[in-house]
Amino acid sequence: QQQVRQSPQSLTVWEGETTILNCSYEDSTFDYFPWYRQFPGKSPALLIAISLVSNKKEDGRFTIFFNKREKKLSLHITDSQPGDSATYFCAASRNSAGNKLTFGIGTRVLVRP
Amino acid sequence: EAAVTQSPRSKVAVTGGKVTLSCHQTNNHDYMYWYRQDTGHGLRLIHYSYVADSTEKGDIPDGYKASRPSQENFSLILELASLSQTAVYFCASSDWGQDAETLYFGSGTRLTVL
Repeated sequence: QQQVRQSPQSLTVWEGETTILNCSYEDSTFDYFPWYRQFPGKSPALLIAISLVSNKKEDGRFTIFFNKREKKLSLHITDSQPGDSATYFCAASRNSAGNKLTFGIGTRVLVRP
Repeated sequence: EAAVTQSPRSKVAVTGGKVTLSCHQTNNHDYMYWYRQDTGHGLRLIHYSYVADSTEKGDIPDGYKASRPSQENFSLILELASLSQTAVYFCASSDWGQDAETLYFGSGTRLTVL
């Protein structure tokens, strides 16, 4: 049973479009939500993160929107570029449990030029 | 820059054999983790450690053992490798504390069990 769910599993967008990735969770004790990005053949790396105290987090073209009531997050990538083609993982952790992350299955994004 | 080194980069093992995957970090981090990655499952936590000489079970520990002999080193041991353990294994490290949640991953070990 996935504690962190992601959708869609894959999507293709055109260069310049906004990519929207969805994530939801069940466990109300989760309080930290990072997104990791993994390029093909590489290891995952932190992209952007949000905690329960925020509803929105921006970093350049990447924005997390957080609906705490519905336990849903979304990652928006504006002006998508071919270099954004990668797999994006939503994750969650509890501060009380150290840094033990639970990952979703990932969304594979392809940006066509 | 954070550095987590895994060895070997890839390995082919026979069913029933013993496999040891090694991880070394030079980040001076207290936390270390072993994750496996499979298509359709994302990254799943096998074992982790907060301090040397102590390990904890993650979400899928069955069939795996872990060893943390020092702060820098963390090993994953498959005593009796099985076909279902074919996967890519990632080691990661992180610091401790509220603002230190970032996991730094190694480059992975691709394990094939035949």
